[in-house]
Amino acid sequence: DGGITQSPKYLFRKEGQNVTLSCEQNLNHDAMYWYRQDPGQGLRLIYYSQIVNDFQKGDIAEGYSVSREKKESFPLTVTSAQKNPTAFYLCASTAVTLAWDEQFFGPGTRLTVL
Amino acid sequence: ILNVEQSPQSLHVQEGDSTNFTCSFPSSNFYALHWYRWETAKSPEALFVMTLNGDEKKKGRISATLNTKEGYSYLYIKGSQPEDSATYLCAFGGSYIPTFGRGTSLIVHP
Repeated sequence: DGGITQSPKYLFRKEGQNVTLSCEQNLNHDAMYWYRQDPGQGLRLIYYSQIVNDFQKGDIAEGYSVSREKKESFPLTVTSAQKNPTAFYLCASTAVTLAWDEQFFGPGTRLTVL
Repeated sequence: ILNVEQSPQSLHVQEGDSTNFTCSFPSSNFYALHWYRWETAKSPEALFVMTLNGDEKKKGRISATLNTKEGYSYLYIKGSQPEDSATYLCAFGGSYIPTFGRGTSLIVHP
């Protein structure tokens, strides 16, 4: 079955550490996205990538970094520069980057900073 | 940052009740309006994508309407069932990347 996988499901980090969240898709989609959700907030865009080896900052990119070396993979690194990283992180993909294109989501990673 | 508002924030109904909620969005630069259903412990799943003013979409007991001129969309659930309990997200497509609202949390009591 085609879909998006994210790992790990839960992640605990000590302050000052960088951590990397994995996102893999086998839908053959060109575009991939990272969102962050906080309690009472909508999904906020961190980064997106329309094609391999290219990515763009979203609304809240500070303290995060990404790479897109393969079409299937779009890992997100939460760096120590991110002031408040505890949140739920969702990865998504679309066939192409168009406003009317349905987004397919992974199951999410919950990150907690200890 | 675009303003996409959903109301109410949460809703409790009894099984069999019909209910509706609203998504408000900018009335300019409209390309698409998405509705997603997000059940607890699952991934959000697309319900509808609407692109034309006056669009109406239906899937079983759930339907949606779109008014792009005044900037709102309604989602209706007829005869709510406990399995309809979820957060319903709308997303406004005013550019390549949609902007999400905060969602409406629906709980249907048996």
